[in-house]
Amino acid sequence: DSGVTQTPKHLITATGQRVTLRCSPRSGDLSVYWYQQSLDQGLQFLIQYYNGEERAKGNILERFSAQQFPDLHSELNLSSLELGDSALYFCASSVRGDSYGYTFGSGTRLTVV
Amino acid sequence: EDKVVQSPLSLVVHEGDTVTLNCSYEVTNFRSLLWYKQEKKAPTFLFMLTSSGIEKKSGRLSSILDKKELSSILNITATQTGDSAIYLCAVEARGGADGLTFGKGTHLIIQP
Repeated sequence: DSGVTQTPKHLITATGQRVTLRCSPRSGDLSVYWYQQSLDQGLQFLIQYYNGEERAKGNILERFSAQQFPDLHSELNLSSLELGDSALYFCASSVRGDSYGYTFGSGTRLTVV
Repeated sequence: EDKVVQSPLSLVVHEGDTVTLNCSYEVTNFRSLLWYKQEKKAPTFLFMLTSSGIEKKSGRLSSILDKKELSSILNITATQTGDSAIYLCAVEARGGADGLTFGKGTHLIIQP
C-alpha cells in the first residue's frame, strides 16, 4: 500500500455521463497530481494542486476539472464522457510539490461504453 | 514541449540475461530524470537522477544519466521473472510544478 488511496478502483459508465474520481494523498503530502494513462498515449499529466490551489495544468480537456479540498483530498470530475476517455487515471502525491517523494495510487480504471 | 523517448518498446529475454533499457529526453530546464516500474497498477519508484547524482544502484538494478547526450540507461543484471514489467522513464523540469513527462515505457518480459 503506497499510502495514496484512490476510489473507485473500477468504473463503467455510458457516453455523455459524468463521473467523479477521488484521491486521498499520503499523510503529510500537500501536493496532488492527476495523470491519465491510455494504451496509445502513455502516462499524461493532467493537473496539479498544491495545498488547495491549482498549481499547474497539463493536457487536461475542458470537459475535465479537479479540485483539492481543505483536508487535502482531491477529486477529478470528468463530464460529457466519450469512448476515448476510457483509461487508467492515476493520482500521485508528494510533500513539496515536486518529484521528491512522488508516490502513485493504484489508479481508477474508467471504461466508457 | 518536453519529450521523452524510450527504447525498445518491448523486449523479451530469458531469465539470467542482462538487459539495458534506454531513455532519451528533451526538456527545458532539466531538474531530474526518474525511473519507475509498473507491474499491474501503480508505477513504483526506482531511481531519481539529477545533475549532482548521475549514477544510482540498487541490487541488480542500476542507472546512469548522460547529461551530454541527454539520455539515461537502466540496467538489470541476472534478470528474474519478477522483473517482468513496464519500465517508465520520466523527466521533471526545474521548478517541478508541471508534473512529470513520461515516455511510453519499455515492456520487459522475462521468460523462465
